[in-house]
Amino acid sequence: EPEVTQTPSHQVTQMGQEVILRCVPISNHLYFYWYRQILGQKVEFLVSFYNNEISEKSEIFDDQFSVERPDGSNFTLKIRSTKLEDSAMYFCASTLQGGMSYNSPLHFGNGTRLTVT
Amino acid sequence: DQQVKQNSPSLSVQEGRISILNCDYTNSMFDYFLWYKKYPAEGPTFLISISSIKDKNEDGRFTVFLNKSAKHLSLHIVPSQPGDSAVYFCAASAGHTNAGKSTFGDGTTLTVKP
Repeated sequence: EPEVTQTPSHQVTQMGQEVILRCVPISNHLYFYWYRQILGQKVEFLVSFYNNEISEKSEIFDDQFSVERPDGSNFTLKIRSTKLEDSAMYFCASTLQGGMSYNSPLHFGNGTRLTVT
Repeated sequence: DQQVKQNSPSLSVQEGRISILNCDYTNSMFDYFLWYKKYPAEGPTFLISISSIKDKNEDGRFTVFLNKSAKHLSLHIVPSQPGDSAVYFCAASAGHTNAGKSTFGDGTTLTVKP
């Protein structure tokens, strides 16, 4: 079964550094997402992306965050200047359909654990 | 503002018995509900969903019930198996916007004892 793949599985960075988290969504999917889960907390929506642009973002997704689909397969999340509170598990997800479809569960990758020191 | 709540952080059941996981929501705009299962070091995996036009959806050992008037849904697993031990997340979305933008509950850790 096709799956969403994320690299790296664990990223350690120093506060203030830029990080790029990478994802390869399922190949025929059209909608792409980033979610995060701070340790012990709930899974939170960050951003959705469709047709090469952000379709929706949460208040967490501030100017320090950006997403890009640089080619036909990769989907990246960049954090420009990391803060301690950015430490979390970041999940990429994709769906075939979005919007009014009721048959579009999220397919998640296994996540990248980001540790900011 | 917790729009999706799972009030039981953990649940322990005996193998072969029924597991019932509960979820409450407050946003009346939610019209699509999903359950995800998560093992350690893995991403959430879709389990079963239900739209607000239904009150029950069944898939093998898993059944989700929706009570719209009470803004409550539950996941029944019967019979429970040790491999079902995982964290279960309830999620909800407002289908008229973006069905992939889901609001998750805190999760319930299910332990099925052999």
